Amino acid sequence: ETGVTQTPRHLVMGMTNKKSLKCEQHLGHNAMYWYKQSAKKPLELMFVYNFKEQTENNSVPSRFSPECPNSSHLFLHLHTLQPEDSALYLCASRNRLNTEAFFGQGTRLTVV
Amino acid sequence: QKEVEQDPGPLSVPEGAIVSLNCTYSNSAFQYFMWYRQYSRKGPELLMYTYSSGNKEDGRFTAQVDKSSKYISLFIRDSQPSDSATYLCAILNRDDKIIFGKGTRLHILP
Repeated sequence: ETGVTQTPRHLVMGMTNKKSLKCEQHLGHNAMYWYKQSAKKPLELMFVYNFKEQTENNSVPSRFSPECPNSSHLFLHLHTLQPEDSALYLCASRNRLNTEAFFGQGTRLTVV
Repeated sequence: QKEVEQDPGPLSVPEGAIVSLNCTYSNSAFQYFMWYRQYSRKGPELLMYTYSSGNKEDGRFTAQVDKSSKYISLFIRDSQPSDSATYLCAILNRDDKIIFGKGTRLHILP
């Protein structure tokens, strides 16, 4: 256990559905990240939040919408996704004074 | 040129061998380096981090950074079948982005 919890672990959704991924950490970290991991590709950084403020949107389509209501919670809202969006979505957090980041176990998303 | 380059493998070695995993990076300003291990269907697990040139050791694992060559390495001594996983190198850049290599799939053969 890294202290970063992601729910749900698995999600199957249709292209017209709306769903949300949740990430939670109680490590006192002040930076949180969303990554996408597809087969045979590097981890792709999607969004960065520092002190609840979004500091990075790495050219992510608007069908992905992040939300960070407080420093312990991070959401990724999904709507009208495409089959190519199927991937493992990983959340990470870190203390900005330190280097190391800790990951959750990810949400395996399948878009049908 | 990609910021972090890593050979995806797969790399197969016999049990007990020394494993050498490597990455190169493009920007000499990068200062912070990490290695993660990822088992199938799990999130990446932090193994080691370092921010200086030289070696850092933790049990059977040694992380090495050569800033002059922009080259980072992870060595695993006395490799075990349980070390079979994907190993990811990562750098933390000045914008607080953590950039990953593709990951190297490692198989330790019993």
